[in-house]
Amino acid sequence: DSGVTQTPKHLITATGQRVTLRCSPRSGDLSVYWYQQSLDQGLQFLIQYYNGEERAKGNILERFSAQQFPDLHSELNLSSLELGDSALYFCASSVDSSNQPQHFGDGTRLSIL
Amino acid sequence: EDQVTQSPEALRLQEGESSSLNCSYTVSGLRGLFWYRQDPGKGPEFLFTLYSAGEEKEKERLKATLTKKESFLHITAPKPEDSATYLCAVGVSGGYNKLIFGAGTRLAVHP
Repeated sequence: DSGVTQTPKHLITATGQRVTLRCSPRSGDLSVYWYQQSLDQGLQFLIQYYNGEERAKGNILERFSAQQFPDLHSELNLSSLELGDSALYFCASSVDSSNQPQHFGDGTRLSIL
Repeated sequence: EDQVTQSPEALRLQEGESSSLNCSYTVSGLRGLFWYRQDPGKGPEFLFTLYSAGEEKEKERLKATLTKKESFLHITAPKPEDSATYLCAVGVSGGYNKLIFGAGTRLAVHP
């Protein structure tokens, strides 16, 4: 058990809808990262937050947004969903924003019908 | 462009048959090389971090090594429970901790 909690585990929705994925980092970790894993793309970095502030952006679509709250949990919001958004979404956390190991949750599997 | 390549894509071993997985990288500023294990339906599980060429880390049957251009994950006398996808990732410079992942090596160890 990595200590990173993601909910829900599975999400099934339709095109055009909006969903929110939630992540609770390991106790004491200030940085949260979001990744997308699909069969053809592998694990792709989306966005990082550190202590409530956005720190880095990767290949995140404009339809996607995230935030980190004062209690350090984070949410990833996906809107105007398309079939191609179907993937596993992972959250990871680390102690700070340096080159420390990131610890991953078990992900949310998003299926768009 | 920062890039991580893992080989082979898939590896089938007999129990006890030692082998190595390769991770080659091209990055502008390496801030650590990370090995993860991923089981089906689970998130990546952290195994090792290597920060400089010549560094080695060991854990049970696994040993990771690092050169200036690549890393190897050596598996000695593997068991069926070592079957998983092994992912290599590099941390890149820039004031944050973005990881770039390779596509992984799917390892199957048969009794």
